[in-house]
Amino acid sequence: DVKVTQSSRYLVKRTGEKVFLECVQDMDHENMFWYRQDPGLGLRLIYFSYDVKMKEKGDIPEGYSVSREKKERFSLILESASTNQTSMYLCASSLVGYNTEAFFGQGTRLTVV
Amino acid sequence: GESVGLHLPTLSVQEGDNSIINCAYSNSASDYFIWYKQESGKGPQFIIDIRSNMDKRQGQRVTVLLNKTVKHLSLQIAATQPGDSAVYFCAENTGGFKTIFGAGTRLFVKA
Repeated sequence: DVKVTQSSRYLVKRTGEKVFLECVQDMDHENMFWYRQDPGLGLRLIYFSYDVKMKEKGDIPEGYSVSREKKERFSLILESASTNQTSMYLCASSLVGYNTEAFFGQGTRLTVV
Repeated sequence: GESVGLHLPTLSVQEGDNSIINCAYSNSASDYFIWYKQESGKGPQFIIDIRSNMDKRQGQRVTVLLNKTVKHLSLQIAATQPGDSAVYFCAENTGGFKTIFGAGTRLFVKA
């Protein structure tokens, strides 16, 4: 089975802190994604990567950056955390190309105080 | 703007009954649709998908129907079980890597 592992289930950070969310997948998938999930809004794409060192902005990239130095690892960085970034963050991976299902991690619930 | 919407935010069914979860999409160019299930405390999990050249696809206890004329997608769960209680998301691929998710429907299964 595909396993997508996010480094933390729960995080509490202070406003202004730099926050790193880590994600690792073990199925050699080319594509990796970061979403945030908020009640009533579904999942919104922050950034995605279709190859090592490649990244593309999603729908809501402001305030975030990403890093993909190795194929299996995709990091989401909040440069200066703000309270409106309190959310559930979901990492996903999928096979190369389009129109394939995504495999999700268990999520990281981030609270910024 | 483009959106994937749901007719009902919550659905309550009796154990053993069939469940139908509906979804409307707005982009007629979307060519790939997916249903995900998200249980409490977990990430979404793939259930079933369907491509735009099909109108029906069946899995184990689940069926997805696609009506491109009215841009409507539905997920049917046969003989609903307590373990089916979750939030269900429909998603559409509008081209490339862009996937739009609906807000989700919470399914409650009454014993």
